[in-house]
This record gives sequence, structure tokens and C-alpha cells, in this order.
Amino acid sequence: AQSVTQPDIHITVSEGASLELRCNYSYGATPYLFWYVQSPGQGLQLLLKYFSGDTLVQGIKGFEAEFKRSQSSFNLRKPSVHWSDAAEYFCAVGALSGNQFYFGTGTSLTVIP
Amino acid sequence: DADVTQTPRNRITKTGKRIMLECSQTKGHDRMYWYRQDPGLGLRLIYYSFDVKDINKGEISDGYSVSRQAQAKFSLSLESAIPNQTALYFCATSDFGRQEETQYFGPGTRLLVL
Repeated sequence: AQSVTQPDIHITVSEGASLELRCNYSYGATPYLFWYVQSPGQGLQLLLKYFSGDTLVQGIKGFEAEFKRSQSSFNLRKPSVHWSDAAEYFCAVGALSGNQFYFGTGTSLTVIP
Repeated sequence: DADVTQTPRNRITKTGKRIMLECSQTKGHDRMYWYRQDPGLGLRLIYYSFDVKDINKGEISDGYSVSRQAQAKFSLSLESAIPNQTALYFCATSDFGRQEETQYFGPGTRLLVL
């Protein structure tokens, strides 16, 4: 069965510190992987996506993610967090031949001064 | 960027009432989706449509119905609203045929059922 797991419900980091949000997936077909961010009161904005090729993908707002097939992971990273990064982050998996996306339950990020 | 719009943005209704949430898109995408978001549960798919004549149930379709009036419009109806349908509802679109079937989301409709 397809699934996406985000093991961290909530993470708190200091401004300027590095960040890593974890995402593990289970998907029978070749997965397409996504990270979305949801700021308070806002819709979901696409941060980055992976389809093929280089396993390290760059996204908007200084985020990057690395696809590791052997670990079924697609972790999101940022070298230096800004206060404006406080939001909810969702990992999602889909496939070209599939008809659904599967979302993780989200990780809420708090940034402290 | 208002490629995907949802109306209303907020709605309060009473148990048993019929309500409709509307979604419009200017992206020219064929595929449209309705999700609900509940705290701690992420996003769950209610219905999706691959074109005007194609409607499919998602993971949690009970208590909901949809209508695809045109390529650009996809409405979600709650025939008889109940309190556990209180949630944040998102519409999304994607472009069939492109290698990258990224989904693009509307701003959401916050629904409260009393």
C-alpha cells in the first residue's frame, strides 16, 4: 500500500540553525516526490519536486531535498532557517500513471529567535 | 497568483444544511481534486476528476458529492452537513500528459458545521 510517513509532528529550531525534515514513503511504482509548505491561513505552496535525474533537488526559499531510494526517503533540508520559515510542511508522493497523491500528516515548524 | 480560486473562503453552516464549495482554475488543467485537511491527519482526497465526464471517488467520499461543470470548474457539495465535516477544504489541479504531474492548490475554504 502506498503511504507517506513524516515521523516528526513538530520541530522547533533557532533562527539561523540548520533544518532537516524527514519523509519516508512506500510506493509500488516509480515515485514522484514533492514537498509543500503551508503558511498559517494559506494554501499549499510547492517547494520542490523530484521526478528523475540528480537525487539532490533544489527548491524555492533556499530549500533542498535528497532522494535516497535505498532508504525510501526524501528529506527536506535548509542550511539556515529564517523566522519566516515557520509553517507546516507536507511531503507527498505520486506517480505519472497513478491517479492520486498521497500526503504525509505534516510537520509543524516553529522558529525561535 | 490566483490560478486556482475557491469560494467561499470561510463558511459557517448548521447541521443538516446543504452547502456547496466552488473551485475555479485558469491554469487550463484537465485534472481537478478536492481534499480535506484535518489537524494531525494531513490531506485526504475526497473526489477527483480527470475531465468533465470523468468523476472518481477518493479516500473519503461518503457524505460528499461533486460536479464538474466545465474544465475550469469543480464543485464540492455536502448534501446534509454534519459537525465532523468541519475542516479546511482544498481544491487542486494538475496537468495530464505532462511528465510532471504537480498539483497546484487553491487557498482553501474553512468550513464550520455547527
